Amino acid sequence: DSGVTQTPKHLITATGQRVTLRCSPRSGDLSVYWYQQSLDQGLQFLIQYYNGEERAKGNILERFSAQQFPDLHSELNLSSLELGDSALYFCASSVAGDRENEQFFGPGTRLTVL
Amino acid sequence: GNSVTQMEGPVTLSEEAFLTINCTYTATGYPSLFWYVQYPGEGLQLLLKATKADDKGSNKGFEATYRKETTSFHLEKGSVQVSDSAVYFCALGLSNTGNQFYFGTGTSLTVIP
Repeated sequence: DSGVTQTPKHLITATGQRVTLRCSPRSGDLSVYWYQQSLDQGLQFLIQYYNGEERAKGNILERFSAQQFPDLHSELNLSSLELGDSALYFCASSVAGDRENEQFFGPGTRLTVL
Repeated sequence: GNSVTQMEGPVTLSEEAFLTINCTYTATGYPSLFWYVQYPGEGLQLLLKATKADDKGSNKGFEATYRKETTSFHLEKGSVQVSDSAVYFCALGLSNTGNQFYFGTGTSLTVIP
């Protein structure tokens, strides 16, 4: 158990809908990261937050957004969903934002868009 | 740019065989290097890490040495077990902007008894 929790575990929805994925980082971790894992694209970094502020942006679509709240939990919002958005979405956290800090991954949310 | 190139799988080995999974990287700056393991149906777990050149990371019999001259971080284990069957990801971490991680495509390992 990494200490990172993600809800829900599974999500099934239809094209065009909007969903919210939630992540609680390990106690004491200030940095939260979101990744998308799909069969054809591998593990893709989406976005990082550090203590409530956006820190780095990767391959995140405009239809996707995220935020980190004062209690440090984070939410990833996916809107106007398409079939291709079906994937595993992982959240990870680290103590700070330094390159030396390993990231601890949650169990993931499996999103299926029908 | 920044990227990680990993040996393609899948890899199938017999129990007690020697394992090498190759990983090379390109990076702007001085990255930290990591190996993560993903067991079926689970998230990624840190296996080992190295933060500077010539550092050796080790854990559970796995080892990898940070080689700056060859920009490599190959994963090795002397004697694999069935329980090592998983997908292995090489990653680099940079602080240029935040702590963005770049992952390799993953190498699937199956160990047969």
